[in-house]
Amino acid sequence: DAGVIQSPRHEVTEMGQEVTLRCKPISGHNSLFWYRQTMMRGLELLIYFNNNVPIDDSGMPEDRFSAKMPNASFSTLKIQPSEPRDSAVYFCASRETNTEAFFGQGTRLTVV
Amino acid sequence: GDSVTQMEGPVTLSEEAFLTINCTYTATGYPSLFWYVQYPGEGLQLLLKATKADDKGSNKGFEATYRKETTSFHLEKGSVQVSDSAVYFCALHSGAGSYQLTFGKGTKLSVIP
Repeated sequence: DAGVIQSPRHEVTEMGQEVTLRCKPISGHNSLFWYRQTMMRGLELLIYFNNNVPIDDSGMPEDRFSAKMPNASFSTLKIQPSEPRDSAVYFCASRETNTEAFFGQGTRLTVV
Repeated sequence: GDSVTQMEGPVTLSEEAFLTINCTYTATGYPSLFWYVQYPGEGLQLLLKATKADDKGSNKGFEATYRKETTSFHLEKGSVQVSDSAVYFCALHSGAGSYQLTFGKGTKLSVIP
């Protein structure tokens, strides 16, 4: 398996624009997580899904953030409108029940 | 709720020095414990794990023992190398019925020649 695949690897956008980050989990994994990592706040869990259903989105910072998982092989994290403080590395991870999580390489987002 | 507490970094060591990164946890049930490593510019990857009390996880010269009596899972390595410079995260999963992985804040290790 190719592992968790995230795209794009780097994204630079202007403030106010919509940004969509994409994730393909490992086939057969039933849980998917979105994390954000910054120097100031470290690794933060934004939302996680189990069997494509959002279980806990309490980490989503505000209404500008939304996440979907339309099927078992694809998830998106959308920011609309984007702001400079959203600049961070966003990670997607997936796992089977009761096993370790596998992380993607991350998307480095810069909002100017 | 579940929580993981790691020693704060950064930690700077000379090559071949002994490494300990402390990790303690609070959890319900019988958690599984993990150490992840993040090299510069990369995602987190599993370093080692232990799924029950007294288990020892080991990989690449790193070891950690699941101590239920002290609720700890300290990471150790006898002789660090420059290539071990990275950020290390302790994490737990509470077990059946819980979907979430809980991470510590991470400890940055720098090894100098």
